[in-house]
Amino acid sequence: DQQVKQNSPSLSVQEGRISILNCDYTNSMFDYFLWYKKYPAEGPTFLISISSIKDKNEDGRFTVFLNKSAKHLSLHIVPSQPGDSAVYFCAASARWNSGYALNFGKGTSLLVTP
Amino acid sequence: EPEVTQTPSHQVTQMGQEVILRCVPISNHLYFYWYRQILGQKVEFLVSFYNNEISEKSEIFDDQFSVERPDGSNFTLKIRSTKLEDSAMYFCASSAGGRETQYFGPGTRLLVL
Repeated sequence: DQQVKQNSPSLSVQEGRISILNCDYTNSMFDYFLWYKKYPAEGPTFLISISSIKDKNEDGRFTVFLNKSAKHLSLHIVPSQPGDSAVYFCAASARWNSGYALNFGKGTSLLVTP
Repeated sequence: EPEVTQTPSHQVTQMGQEVILRCVPISNHLYFYWYRQILGQKVEFLVSFYNNEISEKSEIFDDQFSVERPDGSNFTLKIRSTKLEDSAMYFCASSAGGRETQYFGPGTRLLVL
């Protein structure tokens, strides 16, 4: 079952503009969320995370927003750069999960055009 | 910057053969994980490992799979008798603590013929 959903398989944005990637989750026990970036033939690279006690976390050009009531989070990249072109994965884990397994979405492929 | 490494980068094997995928986690990390990604699908959790034992495993991680930390640096995933559907990219990850960020290796692409 798909507990973490990224409903947009792809997104194209012009360089310098804002990229907004969305993620929805169904499991209300999830309390820790992460975004990873992945280039072809490489492993996922950690970008930013957020705990359920917060609704926003910022790191440089990257900001993650969490709306717990809507079970929705989003990643904002401002300004977008061509090097940001990659597949972005949303992942979530639950406190009760003693193994700390991450549940991933299917990813959104971001293309930033010059 | 410390990173997770994996060998081999590619592995081709015949159905029914045993394969061992190797990982060297980040040196001061205590939690280790294996995930896989079948082509076109999402990254799926296989198993987590802490204090020399499995913490959690998914339904995918059946009796054909095993993990081991044979020494202080390596973390291995063994598939005893490979099936065609085991063809996937296998990622190793490690974290300093249980709720800490998991850092992923570059993956091993396994092809079962």
